Order: sequence, then structure tokens, then C-alpha cells
Amino acid sequence: QVQLQESGPGLVKPSQTLSLTCTVSGGSISSGGYYWSWIRQHPGKGLEWIGYIYYSGSTYYNPSLKSRVTISVDTSKNQFSLKLSSVTAADTAVYYCARLNPDTAMVIDPWGQGTLVTVSS
Amino acid sequence: EIVLTQSPGTLSLSPGERATLSCRASQSVSSSYLAWYQQKPGQAPRLLIYGASSRATGIPDRFSGSGSGTDFTLTISRLEPEDFAVYYCQQYGSSPLMYTFGQGTKLEIK
Repeated sequence: QVQLQESGPGLVKPSQTLSLTCTVSGGSISSGGYYWSWIRQHPGKGLEWIGYIYYSGSTYYNPSLKSRVTISVDTSKNQFSLKLSSVTAADTAVYYCARLNPDTAMVIDPWGQGTLVTVSS
Repeated sequence: EIVLTQSPGTLSLSPGERATLSCRASQSVSSSYLAWYQQKPGQAPRLLIYGASSRATGIPDRFSGSGSGTDFTLTISRLEPEDFAVYYCQQYGSSPLMYTFGQGTKLEIK
């Protein structure tokens, strides 16, 4: 059973770059067939999709965040990563990594447990 | 961009009752790309329903989804104590290519 685990700093200063990594276990990113995604949830609020990547490196981003987002993949480590530049307090959120399944209309399943990132000086 | 509006914002019911949650899209959505998730406090969302009406693996049959076009419904036939949570609908669109979530319905114990 595939499991995902986010890791990275819990505190980032304004204007800096937020960097998170998602480690996938129980399945190989390089085997293909799935996409890998980042989603965030502002405190007490709803969900916002950030973007996704395929093992080949193809990416697609939320147009509202596209200018600041980079998602990359390291198949040798079975990891994919998120970088969000020029952060402000509005980027404070729980960040989830997740798998997307094209065989079931790109549903988001499973999700990582999430990691809270606070933007503050 | 498609906007998903969920109603009600909060639903207060008792265990054993039937819950009906609504998700309305600002324009027609492919049923194939409409999903529902459950989120409990401090946890990640969990997939319940995909393709508007197909239950995900391990989801009890008291959960059902229906709808088409712009109106979709999640029904919980008989509420169990563990069902009280926040529920989100979600659509995946190709033009533009992106995911959109509803704002959520909180199902609370009356």
C-alpha cells in the first residue's frame, strides 16, 4: 500500500523560498501510471491544489501560483519536491502531498498526513 | 474557472439520521471528474466517492453519490458517530487543467 510522507522546515521567513519533500513508500514513482501532487490547506479553511508532476518530469501548476511554484522529482530517492518562492503570511498552510490516479479520473488518493508551514519573521 | 458551492455550510444531525450534502458547480462538470472527500480534525482528507457515484475502496455502502451536470449530492444513509466530519467535493477540469474544491460542509452532531 502506497504511503506518502511530507518533510521540511515548519517555519519560513517572508520573502524566502518554502521547500518541502514528499517521500513515497510502498510503490515506485518511476514505474509510471500515476501523477504526484501538492495541495495545501490554509488554517481552518478549504483546500487549494498547487500542482502535479509525472515521473518523466512533466508538470502542471495552478495558474494562480504558477509564477512562484516549482515541483520536481527524484526517482532515485522515490521523492518529489515543492518549492514556493517569495512567500508571505498568506502561504501559511498545511501542505499535503498526494498521488493522482488517472485510471479513476485523477482522484487524489492517498494523501500524506500533511505538514504545517508557518511564514513568519 | 469552475466554482463549486457546497450547501449547507453546517449540517446538524443525530446518529442514525440521513444526511444529504449538496455540491453545485458554476458550469457543467463531467461526472467522471467529480469526487467527494471526508476530513476529520487533524487528519488528511480521505477519498469517499469518485466519478460522482463510485465508492472508493473500503468505503461503507451507507455512503452514496449522485448527480450530473451542475448538481451533485453526497448521501449518508444512516449516520454513524465516526461520520461527523467535514466533507469536500472536488472536480478535475481540463480547460483550464486544474483541480477545484468546494468550501466544505461540516457535519456535526446535534
